[in-house]
Amino acid sequence: AQSVTQPDIHITVSEGASLELRCNYSYGATPYLFWYVQSPGQGLQLLLKYFSGDTLVQGIKGFEAEFKRSQSSFNLRKPSVHWSDAAEYFCAVGNNAGNMLTFGGGTRLMVKP
Amino acid sequence: DSGVTQTPKHLITATGQRVTLRCSPRSGDLSVYWYQQSLDQGLQFLIQYYNGEERAKGNILERFSAQQFPDLHSELNLSSLELGDSALYFCASSVEGLGGTGELFFGEGSRLTVL
Repeated sequence: AQSVTQPDIHITVSEGASLELRCNYSYGATPYLFWYVQSPGQGLQLLLKYFSGDTLVQGIKGFEAEFKRSQSSFNLRKPSVHWSDAAEYFCAVGNNAGNMLTFGGGTRLMVKP
Repeated sequence: DSGVTQTPKHLITATGQRVTLRCSPRSGDLSVYWYQQSLDQGLQFLIQYYNGEERAKGNILERFSAQQFPDLHSELNLSSLELGDSALYFCASSVEGLGGTGELFFGEGSRLTVL
Protein backbone atom coordinates (compact mmCIF):
# COMPACT_ATOMS: atom_id res chain seq x y z
CA ALA A 1 0.00 0.00 0.00
CA GLN A 2 1.17 3.51 -0.68
CA SER A 3 1.76 5.96 2.14
CA VAL A 4 3.25 9.38 2.75
CA THR A 5 4.87 10.77 5.87
CA GLN A 6 5.44 14.43 6.56
CA PRO A 7 7.49 14.44 9.76
CA ASP A 8 7.00 18.11 10.58
CA ILE A 9 3.50 19.10 11.65
CA HIS A 10 4.41 22.77 12.15
CA ILE A 11 7.30 24.85 10.87
CA THR A 12 7.98 28.52 11.52
CA VAL A 13 10.47 30.47 9.43
CA SER A 14 11.33 34.12 9.15
CA GLU A 15 10.38 36.00 6.03
CA GLY A 16 13.25 35.87 3.57
CA ALA A 17 14.70 32.70 5.04
CA SER A 18 15.00 29.46 3.11
CA LEU A 19 12.51 26.65 3.55
CA GLU A 20 12.61 22.89 3.29
CA LEU A 21 9.57 20.72 3.96
CA ARG A 22 10.19 17.02 4.28
CA CYS A 23 8.25 14.24 2.65
CA ASN A 24 8.90 10.51 2.70
CA TYR A 25 6.83 8.07 0.72
CA SER A 26 6.29 4.35 0.50
CA TYR A 27 5.38 2.87 -2.84
CA GLY A 28 6.39 -0.31 -4.63
CA ALA A 29 7.04 1.11 -8.08
CA THR A 30 8.11 4.44 -9.50
CA PRO A 31 5.78 6.88 -7.82
CA TYR A 32 3.91 9.86 -9.06
CA LEU A 33 4.70 12.56 -6.48
CA PHE A 34 2.98 15.84 -5.82
CA TRP A 35 3.05 18.84 -3.55
CA TYR A 36 -0.16 20.75 -2.89
CA VAL A 37 -0.76 23.91 -0.88
CA GLN A 38 -3.92 24.75 1.04
CA SER A 39 -4.52 28.32 2.14
CA PRO A 40 -7.08 28.94 4.90
CA GLY A 41 -10.61 28.40 3.67
CA GLN A 42 -9.41 27.30 0.26
CA GLY A 43 -9.10 24.08 -1.63
CA LEU A 44 -5.79 22.50 -2.53
CA GLN A 45 -3.64 23.92 -5.30
CA LEU A 46 -0.93 21.97 -7.09
CA LEU A 47 2.57 23.38 -6.60
CA LEU A 48 4.53 20.81 -8.57
CA LYS A 49 4.65 17.18 -9.62
CA TYR A 50 7.15 14.48 -10.47
CA PHE A 51 6.46 11.61 -12.85
CA SER A 52 9.86 10.75 -14.31
CA GLY A 53 13.00 12.32 -15.74
CA ASP A 54 14.87 15.13 -14.05
CA THR A 55 14.72 14.58 -10.33
CA LEU A 56 14.67 18.31 -9.58
CA VAL A 57 11.32 19.77 -10.50
CA GLN A 58 10.28 23.37 -10.56
CA GLY A 59 6.86 24.52 -9.56
CA ILE A 60 4.80 27.62 -9.17
CA LYS A 61 5.46 30.44 -6.70
CA GLY A 62 9.21 29.77 -6.71
CA PHE A 63 9.01 26.30 -5.18
CA GLU A 64 11.09 23.31 -6.22
CA ALA A 65 11.32 19.71 -5.06
CA GLU A 66 13.89 16.98 -5.43
CA PHE A 67 13.07 13.30 -5.85
CA LYS A 68 15.58 11.02 -4.16
CA ARG A 69 14.76 7.40 -4.80
CA SER A 70 17.45 6.08 -2.45
CA GLN A 71 15.90 8.00 0.43
CA SER A 72 12.27 7.64 -0.67
CA SER A 73 11.98 11.37 -0.28
CA PHE A 74 10.49 14.28 -2.17
CA ASN A 75 11.36 17.39 -0.18
CA LEU A 76 9.97 20.79 -1.05
CA ARG A 77 12.23 23.83 -1.01
CA LYS A 78 12.07 27.55 -1.49
CA PRO A 79 15.13 29.84 -1.27
CA SER A 80 13.33 32.85 0.20
CA VAL A 81 9.97 32.63 1.93
CA HIS A 82 7.34 35.35 1.63
CA TRP A 83 4.63 36.07 4.20
CA SER A 84 2.03 34.93 1.64
CA ASP A 85 3.53 31.43 1.71
CA ALA A 86 1.97 30.80 5.12
CA ALA A 87 -0.36 27.86 4.50
CA GLU A 88 -0.59 24.12 4.89
CA TYR A 89 1.46 21.99 2.54
CA PHE A 90 0.62 18.45 1.54
CA CYS A 91 2.82 15.88 -0.12
CA ALA A 92 1.03 13.15 -2.04
CA VAL A 93 1.80 9.98 -3.94
CA GLY A 94 -0.28 8.64 -6.82
CA ASN A 95 -0.62 5.07 -7.94
CA ASN A 96 0.27 3.87 -11.41
CA ALA A 97 -3.35 3.25 -12.25
CA GLY A 98 -3.79 6.97 -11.96
CA ASN A 99 -6.85 6.86 -9.83
CA MET A 100 -5.80 7.33 -6.23
CA LEU A 101 -3.84 10.06 -4.53
CA THR A 102 -2.62 9.40 -1.00
CA PHE A 103 -1.79 12.47 1.05
CA GLY A 104 0.56 12.99 3.94
CA GLY A 105 -0.65 14.58 7.14
CA GLY A 106 0.42 18.04 6.06
CA THR A 107 2.88 20.63 7.36
CA ARG A 108 1.58 23.95 8.56
CA LEU A 109 3.98 26.75 7.67
CA MET A 110 4.02 29.98 9.64
CA VAL A 111 6.09 32.95 8.49
CA LYS A 112 7.47 35.45 10.98
CA PRO A 113 7.88 39.06 9.83
CA ASP B 1 -10.56 29.76 -8.90
CA SER B 2 -10.04 26.10 -9.79
CA GLY B 3 -13.23 25.81 -11.81
CA VAL B 4 -14.62 23.12 -9.50
CA THR B 5 -17.79 24.16 -7.72
CA GLN B 6 -19.06 22.59 -4.53
CA THR B 7 -22.33 23.23 -2.75
CA PRO B 8 -23.22 23.84 -0.03
CA LYS B 9 -20.14 25.48 1.49
CA HIS B 10 -21.37 24.91 5.01
CA LEU B 11 -23.90 22.47 6.39
CA ILE B 12 -25.02 21.86 9.95
CA THR B 13 -27.21 18.88 10.71
CA ALA B 14 -28.06 16.42 13.45
CA THR B 15 -26.98 12.86 14.08
CA GLY B 16 -28.98 10.29 12.16
CA GLN B 17 -29.76 12.66 9.32
CA ARG B 18 -28.86 12.40 5.65
CA VAL B 19 -27.19 15.05 3.50
CA THR B 20 -26.17 15.41 -0.12
CA LEU B 21 -23.08 17.26 -1.25
CA ARG B 22 -22.85 18.39 -4.83
CA CYS B 23 -19.87 18.92 -7.09
CA SER B 24 -19.59 20.39 -10.57
CA PRO B 25 -16.23 19.56 -12.14
CA ARG B 26 -14.19 21.79 -14.41
CA SER B 27 -15.52 22.01 -17.92
CA GLY B 28 -14.20 19.06 -19.88
CA ASP B 29 -13.02 17.02 -16.89
CA LEU B 30 -14.35 13.48 -16.89
CA SER B 31 -13.00 12.31 -13.54
CA VAL B 32 -14.40 13.34 -10.18
CA TYR B 33 -12.82 12.47 -6.85
CA TRP B 34 -14.17 12.85 -3.34
CA TYR B 35 -11.94 13.38 -0.33
CA GLN B 36 -12.67 13.80 3.36
CA GLN B 37 -10.46 16.06 5.48
CA SER B 38 -10.71 15.77 9.25
CA LEU B 39 -8.39 16.68 12.09
CA ASP B 40 -7.78 13.11 13.18
CA GLN B 41 -7.71 11.33 9.79
CA GLY B 42 -6.21 14.01 7.55
CA LEU B 43 -7.07 13.88 3.85
CA GLN B 44 -8.67 10.57 2.98
CA PHE B 45 -9.59 9.43 -0.51
CA LEU B 46 -13.20 8.29 -0.65
CA ILE B 47 -14.13 7.47 -4.22
CA GLN B 48 -13.50 8.28 -7.87
CA TYR B 49 -15.85 8.36 -10.82
CA TYR B 50 -14.86 8.52 -14.45
CA ASN B 51 -17.45 9.47 -17.06
CA GLY B 52 -20.29 8.18 -14.95
CA GLU B 53 -18.72 4.96 -13.74
CA GLU B 54 -17.08 4.18 -10.44
CA ARG B 55 -13.34 3.82 -11.02
CA ALA B 56 -11.78 3.48 -7.58
CA LYS B 57 -12.93 3.24 -4.02
CA GLY B 58 -10.97 4.22 -0.94
CA ASN B 59 -11.94 4.46 2.71
CA ILE B 60 -15.59 5.19 2.08
CA LEU B 61 -18.08 4.03 4.68
CA GLU B 62 -21.08 1.94 3.67
CA ARG B 63 -23.30 4.77 4.93
CA PHE B 64 -21.81 6.96 2.21
CA SER B 65 -22.52 6.69 -1.49
CA ALA B 66 -21.77 8.72 -4.56
CA GLN B 67 -22.73 8.94 -8.18
CA GLN B 68 -21.78 10.87 -11.27
CA PHE B 69 -24.53 11.99 -13.58
CA PRO B 70 -24.56 12.24 -17.40
CA ASP B 71 -23.75 15.94 -17.20
CA LEU B 72 -20.68 14.88 -15.16
CA HIS B 73 -21.65 16.55 -11.93
CA SER B 74 -21.35 14.34 -8.89
CA GLU B 75 -23.15 13.96 -5.60
CA LEU B 76 -21.91 12.46 -2.35
CA ASN B 77 -24.67 11.15 -0.13
CA LEU B 78 -23.98 10.76 3.58
CA SER B 79 -26.59 8.98 5.67
CA SER B 80 -27.15 7.99 9.30
CA LEU B 81 -24.74 10.74 10.19
CA GLU B 82 -22.55 10.46 13.24
CA LEU B 83 -20.58 13.09 15.13
CA GLY B 84 -17.39 11.68 13.62
CA ASP B 85 -18.58 12.47 10.12
CA SER B 86 -18.01 16.16 10.78
CA ALA B 87 -15.33 17.12 8.31
CA LEU B 88 -14.45 19.10 5.22
CA TYR B 89 -15.44 17.20 2.09
CA PHE B 90 -13.52 18.05 -1.04
CA CYS B 91 -14.35 17.31 -4.60
CA ALA B 92 -11.62 17.32 -7.22
CA SER B 93 -11.67 16.79 -10.94
CA SER B 94 -9.24 15.93 -13.69
CA VAL B 95 -9.36 15.33 -17.41
CA GLU B 96 -8.53 11.69 -16.94
CA GLY B 97 -6.87 9.84 -14.11
CA LEU B 98 -3.63 10.94 -12.54
CA GLY B 99 -1.63 9.34 -15.33
CA GLY B 100 -3.00 11.90 -17.72
CA THR B 101 -2.35 15.48 -16.71
CA GLY B 102 -1.29 14.42 -13.25
CA GLU B 103 -3.19 17.24 -11.67
CA LEU B 104 -6.34 17.27 -9.62
CA PHE B 105 -8.25 20.52 -9.40
CA PHE B 106 -9.91 20.91 -6.02
CA GLY B 107 -13.03 22.74 -5.05
CA GLU B 108 -13.18 24.81 -1.88
CA GLY B 109 -14.93 22.08 0.01
CA SER B 110 -18.17 21.56 1.87
CA ARG B 111 -17.84 21.81 5.63
CA LEU B 112 -20.20 19.43 7.37
CA THR B 113 -20.94 19.79 11.06
CA VAL B 114 -22.94 17.05 12.75
CA LEU B 115 -24.42 18.00 16.13
